[in-house]
Amino acid sequence: AQTVTQSQPEMSVQEAETVTLSCTYDTSESDYYLFWYKQPPSRQMILVIRQEAYKQQNATENRFSVNFQKAAKSFSLKISDSQLGDAAMYFCAYRSAGAGGTSYGKLTFGQGTILTVHP
Amino acid sequence: DTEVTQTPKHLVMGMTNKKSLKCEQHMGHRAMYWYKQKAKKPPELMFVYSYEKLSINESVPSRFSPECPNSSLLNLHLHALQPEDSALYLCASSQVFGNSPLHFGNGTRLTVT
Repeated sequence: AQTVTQSQPEMSVQEAETVTLSCTYDTSESDYYLFWYKQPPSRQMILVIRQEAYKQQNATENRFSVNFQKAAKSFSLKISDSQLGDAAMYFCAYRSAGAGGTSYGKLTFGQGTILTVHP
Repeated sequence: DTEVTQTPKHLVMGMTNKKSLKCEQHMGHRAMYWYKQKAKKPPELMFVYSYEKLSINESVPSRFSPECPNSSLLNLHLHALQPEDSALYLCASSQVFGNSPLHFGNGTRLTVT
């Protein structure tokens, strides 16, 4: 079974600064998808960014970018120019690309990192 | 505005009550999900429906009964719940798997007394 580990329960950053959230995962599969979600206090889970394992290029969405290291099974999230609205709990998630099987479609989440942004 | 609508937002029920949580999406997604989330914890998958058929049941107790009447609707029927079932229940939808991200609703905050 795949596991996702976020080793930082809490992180903080000053407004306008850059912060990196860590995520590692364990899998024997070669093809899969990785996601970062944020969950602000309003509680809705929102997709931040996604990465296909077959793509070598790191995904970028505006101020958010990832450092995807497939061999190291690492998928960190960098937030540049942090804003107060970035304060949330961030979850890293894994999904297998393989069709079929009893877990097909399952999204496995890490334990989450609470990000605080200081003005 | 969320594209996945969950009702009610809050629900308080006794252990002998029967209630239902409802979820609706109109994005044409054919996969729908129920997750349970405790405070400051990740969502835990309960059920996955694919093309209106139950494809994953994560060994959820029978006091939780899912139903997918059509491709836009997902229900979760609750009966004889325990206080430890109090949690945020999240519904989500997506295209059928691959790199399609899940779109989540705002959740139903359930309290069992």
